[in-house]
Parts: sequence; C-alpha cells; structure tokens
Amino acid sequence: AQRVTQPEKLLSVFKGAPVELKCNYSYSGSPELFWYVQYSRQRLQLLLRHISRESIKGFTADLNKGETSFHLKKPFAQEEDSAMYYCAARKGKLQFGAGTQVVVTP
Amino acid sequence: GAGVSQTPSNKVTEKGKYVELRCDPISGHTALYWYRQSLGQGPEFLIYFQGTGAADDSGLPNDRFFAVRPEGSVSTLKIQRTERGDSAMYLCASSPPSPIAGGTLYEQYFGPGTRLTVT
Repeated sequence: AQRVTQPEKLLSVFKGAPVELKCNYSYSGSPELFWYVQYSRQRLQLLLRHISRESIKGFTADLNKGETSFHLKKPFAQEEDSAMYYCAARKGKLQFGAGTQVVVTP
Repeated sequence: GAGVSQTPSNKVTEKGKYVELRCDPISGHTALYWYRQSLGQGPEFLIYFQGTGAADDSGLPNDRFFAVRPEGSVSTLKIQRTERGDSAMYLCASSPPSPIAGGTLYEQYFGPGTRLTVT
C-alpha cells in the first residue's frame, strides 16, 4: 500500500539549533514529494516541493530515492518555525503523513 | 486576493442528521479537492473535481458521503445519517488550470476548514 510516514509526532529544539524532520514514503514508482506547513491558526500551505530544489525560509529537503526518504532540514531553527509540518506524496491523489509538531524554544 | 473559503467554520450536529459543508474555491481554479483530517492525522483525500465532474471519488468512505460542484465553482460536501466517527476537520483545496512557472505541478491552495462534530 502507498504510505507516507513521519516517525516523529513532536520535535522540540532550541532557537539556533539544527532541525531535521524525517519523512519516508512507500510507493511504486516515483511520486511527487512535498512539504506542507500549518502555522498556529493559519491554513495549510505548501512549503516546498522536491522538483523545485529550492530553499524556502531556510528549509531544504533532500530526496533520497534509495532510502525512499524526503527529510526536511534547517540549519538554524527560529521561533517562527514553530508549526505543524506535513510530508506529502502524490501519484494521482495527494497523500499526507501524520505530521510533526515542531516547537522552537528560545 | 481572496483565498479558498469554507462555511461554516464549525458545525455541531446530532448523530443521524444530514449536513452540508460548502467550499468556495479561488476564482478561476478549475480543480477542487476535499480532504478529511481526523485528530492527530494528516489530511486524507476524499474527492477531486475537475470542472463540474468528479474526476476521482475513490476517497469517499461510503455512500453516506456525496459531493457536488454543479457550476464548476462552489462545491458542497454532503453527509447523510452522520455518525460520531465522521467528526473531523473537513478541508477544501483548489488549484489553477495551468502549471505554475517552472514546474509541472499544480499547487493546491487550502481553505481554513470546517470542523464537524457529531454528538
């Protein structure tokens, strides 16, 4: 079955520390991969996608096809990064992981 | 400009009742999606419209769930004989008719959701 797995429900990091959110996918073939973010009291929004190879708000995501992973990283976490992060894959329909809550403390 | 809107923002209903949830997509967006998000989970796909027709309704859990988009704009998700297990956040998203620059992907823009509680 197609699956997107985010093993961490909660990540608590200090401001200025690196943060890495893990995402693994199980799909036949190569799905499109995304990270979405939901800040407190805001709607879900796209953060970045793997084909763009871009850095948004200091975040990057590395696609590793061998390990079927798409981990999200930021070298220096900021308090405004506190949010819920969802990894998602699409081959046809968009499928989300369960999400990781990131809390950045000063 | 205005984003995707959903009404009501909250709906409380009794078990067995019928409910309708409304989604207003971004003007000009031809694709519209419904998702259900249960507590502690990510959004789960329900149905996808391209224009007026349901292009993929494989995510609807059973025949109590139905969605329409008669004029290719506003969509209504209808749930008959609600059950307590239907309690969730229902999200709507829309996407534009052409790819964004530089890619072949259609970014989905999400609404704020309707929180449905079945008592």
